[in-house]
Amino acid sequence: DGGITQSPKYLFRKEGQNVTLSCEQNLNHDAMYWYRQDPGQGLRLIYYSQIVNDFQKGDIAEGYSVSREKKESFPLTVTSAQKNPTAFYLCASSMSPLMETQYFGPGTRLLVL
Amino acid sequence: GNSVTQMEGPVTLSEEAFLTINCTYTATGYPSLFWYVQYPGEGLQLLLKATKADDKGSNKGFEATYRKETTSFHLEKGSVQVSDSAVYFCALSDRVQGAQKLVFGQGTRLTINP
Repeated sequence: DGGITQSPKYLFRKEGQNVTLSCEQNLNHDAMYWYRQDPGQGLRLIYYSQIVNDFQKGDIAEGYSVSREKKESFPLTVTSAQKNPTAFYLCASSMSPLMETQYFGPGTRLLVL
Repeated sequence: GNSVTQMEGPVTLSEEAFLTINCTYTATGYPSLFWYVQYPGEGLQLLLKATKADDKGSNKGFEATYRKETTSFHLEKGSVQVSDSAVYFCALSDRVQGAQKLVFGQGTRLTINP
């Protein structure tokens, strides 16, 4: 089955700790995206990558970092600089950066201890 | 910048009722428009889309028509089911630095009672 997987489903972060959220896709898509969802709000773009070894900041990149070393993988690190990390994080991909339709993974819920 | 505004939720209906969720947008140019659905605890699924004015997107009994004159993309369904209970997001495509970005509305929570 082709699709996007995110792990873990739930993640707990201690104060001052960096945590990394995994996103993998086997759709052979070039572009990948990370969004943050807060209760009662729409999705906001954190980072996106149009191609391997390249990525750009989205609307709320502060306190986050990403890498894109492989086409299939786009991990997101929530750093200690992100003061309000509790949210639902969604990864998405599209066939190419110019293709408008994005396909989403099941999400990771990050909670702060 | 480009933006999307959805009707305030939550919306509660009885099974077999008619559904309308309003969505209006502000954009330069003519973006593509989307409706995504999110079931509890899950990611978003594409429900339907329209790429140009007067296009009608449809899927699973849901419909939405791209209205350029009113800058709207309202979601409708003639007879809702309990299984339609979810959060619905309206979105538009926005081209930024050579890539397509989605701009989302705040979402509308729909609950269908049997």
